[in-house]
Amino acid sequence: EIVLTQSPGTVSLSPGERATLSCRASQSVTSNYLAWFQQKPGQTPRLLIYDASNRATGIPDRFSGSGSGTDFTLTIRRLEPEDSAVYYCQQYDRSHTWTFGQGTKVEIK
Amino acid sequence: EVQLVESGGGLIQPGGSLRLSCGASGFTFSTYEMNWVRQAPGKGLEWVSYISSGGSNIDYADSVKGRFTISRDNAQKTLYLQMNSLRAEDTAVYYCATHPTWGGYWGQGTLVTVS
Repeated sequence: EIVLTQSPGTVSLSPGERATLSCRASQSVTSNYLAWFQQKPGQTPRLLIYDASNRATGIPDRFSGSGSGTDFTLTIRRLEPEDSAVYYCQQYDRSHTWTFGQGTKVEIK
Repeated sequence: EVQLVESGGGLIQPGGSLRLSCGASGFTFSTYEMNWVRQAPGKGLEWVSYISSGGSNIDYADSVKGRFTISRDNAQKTLYLQMNSLRAEDTAVYYCATHPTWGGYWGQGTLVTVS
């Protein structure tokens, strides 16, 4: 089973700043099958990025994903107050099992 | 508009059973692989189970293997999760979800409380 480790645990930034969230896998992720989700309190997770770097439908271009192999990054440019949330990475390999990182909480000052 | 609507959650005693349902609309359900994911109160996301579009391939997380059964009815556009021998640690919001590469749709979740 691939274990995903996200860092930092919490990041606190001001509006307009850039957030850089890391997701490290315990082994190489097949075909960069990695996604990022945003979850606000009391809400369903929302897909932001799939296949490491493709933005999901309706996601602003302030959100971007990059990386390959075992190291992946979600970058949020020009932070806005509504970006306050927990962000999860997820891998989905050919065996059809999914694993999730433990999450990074983004706080907007 | 794509919609996934879970139902069937509730309060159940340890050792009991529940069957969750997930009704789909707005997409061709019969061509989509489906999954169940859960989230314990205040915790992160945990994948629970997978079923292929036709229902022939199935997989489970080790934590539920032998106790939970996933199934689907493509004619009724509904996904199911039969949960037996429930434990306190199964307490969570249960979501049905599609593969990230194919929309990454999630329902609003249904709460299962084992106590």
